[in-house]
Amino acid sequence: GAVVSQHPSRVICKSGTSVKIECRSLDFQATTMFWYRQFPKQSLMLMATSNEGSKATYEQGVEKDKFLINHASLTLSTLTVTSAHPEDSSFYICSAPGTTNGDNEQYFGPGTRLTVT
Amino acid sequence: GDSVTQMEGPVTLSEEAFLTINCTYTATGYPSLFWYVQYPGEGLQLLLKATKADDKGSNKGFEATYRKETTSFHLEKGSVQVSDSAVYFCALSGRAAGNKLTFGGGTRVLVKP
Repeated sequence: GAVVSQHPSRVICKSGTSVKIECRSLDFQATTMFWYRQFPKQSLMLMATSNEGSKATYEQGVEKDKFLINHASLTLSTLTVTSAHPEDSSFYICSAPGTTNGDNEQYFGPGTRLTVT
Repeated sequence: GDSVTQMEGPVTLSEEAFLTINCTYTATGYPSLFWYVQYPGEGLQLLLKATKADDKGSNKGFEATYRKETTSFHLEKGSVQVSDSAVYFCALSGRAAGNKLTFGGGTRVLVKP
């Protein structure tokens, strides 16, 4: 099956710094990728849709300038948390829809745990 | 808009017990339905899926049937194991929504030996 990777798996940063998280589709191309945020013991919240070659589409309430998304190629999307603060600490997960079977299946990365101190 | 409602947990069971997690949805058109599982500290893994009414998805002893008349997609397993302890998410994807997934709140399942 299709594989999506994320890097890093865990990151600890100081308040005020920026952190970049990468999401890669390893064996398929993805013109669209999705970024989710998950708080402890809660469901996934869709943050934005990353579109290759164009601007990302953000969900209501998500700060565009805070969470910068770049989809530079058909296999890579990046999420940069700018000027991170402790409340940005969370589990960030990306996904990409498969294109081979047309049934809307998405493939998820293993997630990145961000801790801001 | 689309929404998914699933039973709240945690659900605590003994090994070999029967597991049911209820899931109902509202959506326009004919969405695809999914169950995802998340083990501690990990991302989501697709457990099973169904793309049209009356389809039954199955995997690893889990089953769920797409019931259009009741807009439900309940997850069942006849005999759970300790290794089934995880959080289970019901989700739908509507073609009109551009492949976006709408998730239920998740149900934590704890299986005790």
